[in-house]
Amino acid sequence: GAGVSQSPSNKVTEKGKDVELRCDPISGHTALYWYRQSLGQGLEFLIYFQGNSAPDKSGLPSDRFSAERTGGSVSTLTIQRTQQEDSAVYLCASRRTGGGYEQYFGPGTRLTVT
Amino acid sequence: AQKITQTQPGMFVQEKEAVTLDCTYDTSDQSYGLFWYKQPSSGEMIFLIYQGSYDEQNATEGRYSLNFQKARKSANLVISASQLGDSAMYFCAMSKLSFGAGTTVTVRA
Repeated sequence: GAGVSQSPSNKVTEKGKDVELRCDPISGHTALYWYRQSLGQGLEFLIYFQGNSAPDKSGLPSDRFSAERTGGSVSTLTIQRTQQEDSAVYLCASRRTGGGYEQYFGPGTRLTVT
Repeated sequence: AQKITQTQPGMFVQEKEAVTLDCTYDTSDQSYGLFWYKQPSSGEMIFLIYQGSYDEQNATEGRYSLNFQKARKSANLVISASQLGDSAMYFCAMSKLSFGAGTTVTVRA
């Protein structure tokens, strides 16, 4: 079956431009997470969607970051006015609820801000 | 709030030997889950093993076992009979989105 997919796999952008990163979770998974991983570092939680509940945005580092999830499926992470410190791999994960506990991760989007 | 601590930034292990990766955690929740993930150089995150806080027995998955000591708030991962393909970064995580900083394991032939 299809896993979590993310697009693009790589994105190079100039400082100050906006970028959109996409995540397609596994069909039927109601929970969706965004993380950021800087080179050689651990995962930094950004935002969490669970069904129709209000998202947990407590990890978003600034108001330049936002995310939405349409129709309970696809999610888009938007970074406005990108800065060089935004360069990282952005990972998306989904999880089914009602008994499942494992997060399934996508391959990530490597963002480079020049 | 939850916090995960992995104090070993890097470890070397000889092929076929066992290695223990340390993980301690802090939480005020009574019910929680602990996970270990593997991240090879290719970058994908691979789920390895899960331990629930109320599970009476330590979790095992093939060559992976989790040494869960609830009173000490530790959840160490043991990899037995190490293989070259085990070389990767390993992350300990809790059920509410907290990941440790990771431990890099290098298996030597």
